[in-house]
Amino acid sequence: EAGVTQFPSHSVIEKGQTVTLRCDPISGHDNLYWYRRVMGKEIKFLLHFVKESKQDESGMPNNRFLAERTGGTYSTLKVQPAELEDSGVYFCASSHRDRAGYGYTFGSGTRLTVV
Amino acid sequence: DAKTTQPPSMDCAEGRAANLPCNHSTISGNEYVYWYRQIHSQGPQYIIHGLKNNETNEMASLIITEDRKSSTLILPHATLRDTAVYYCIGGMNTGFQKLVFGTGTRLLVSP
Repeated sequence: EAGVTQFPSHSVIEKGQTVTLRCDPISGHDNLYWYRRVMGKEIKFLLHFVKESKQDESGMPNNRFLAERTGGTYSTLKVQPAELEDSGVYFCASSHRDRAGYGYTFGSGTRLTVV
Repeated sequence: DAKTTQPPSMDCAEGRAANLPCNHSTISGNEYVYWYRQIHSQGPQYIIHGLKNNETNEMASLIITEDRKSSTLILPHATLRDTAVYYCIGGMNTGFQKLVFGTGTRLLVSP
């Protein structure tokens, strides 16, 4: 099966600009997650979708971040306006509904650099 | 979720077994131990998980102590491609699990 696809793989934007990251989960996976690692820190959870519904967005850092998953397929994560501290690698993962903590498949990530 | 403690780094010779320890003394009776790894420039990759019995799959073996306060991930014949950061994560096996990645163990496999 095709894996989790993230686009773009790299993005360099100026502070104050807007960036949209996209994630295509594995077909049929209801669960979709966003995580990120900012410079020097650990990988942190951002939010979780079940189909098109946000199940948990407790990890979203602030209201400059907006995630959507229209139609329960791909998801986008928009950062507007981007700040320097948003630089890092953003990972998307997906899983079947009942897989709990195992069997998550992660994408290769989008490396975001805000200058 | 159980707090886990891992050594920051380990070395292993290619072809030898890599034994990565993890302490999880606060793990509750129904919490599982999950292992993921992150190879450079890739996303995290699921390896194995277990509750109290030892587990083995095509990637690794997981040995959990009887008191469940610690476990060891074993890569039986490490290769250079196993160089990665390995994460031991505690959590439930039902419902949604928010993976809590710590600092992990950086394993370096050398020729």
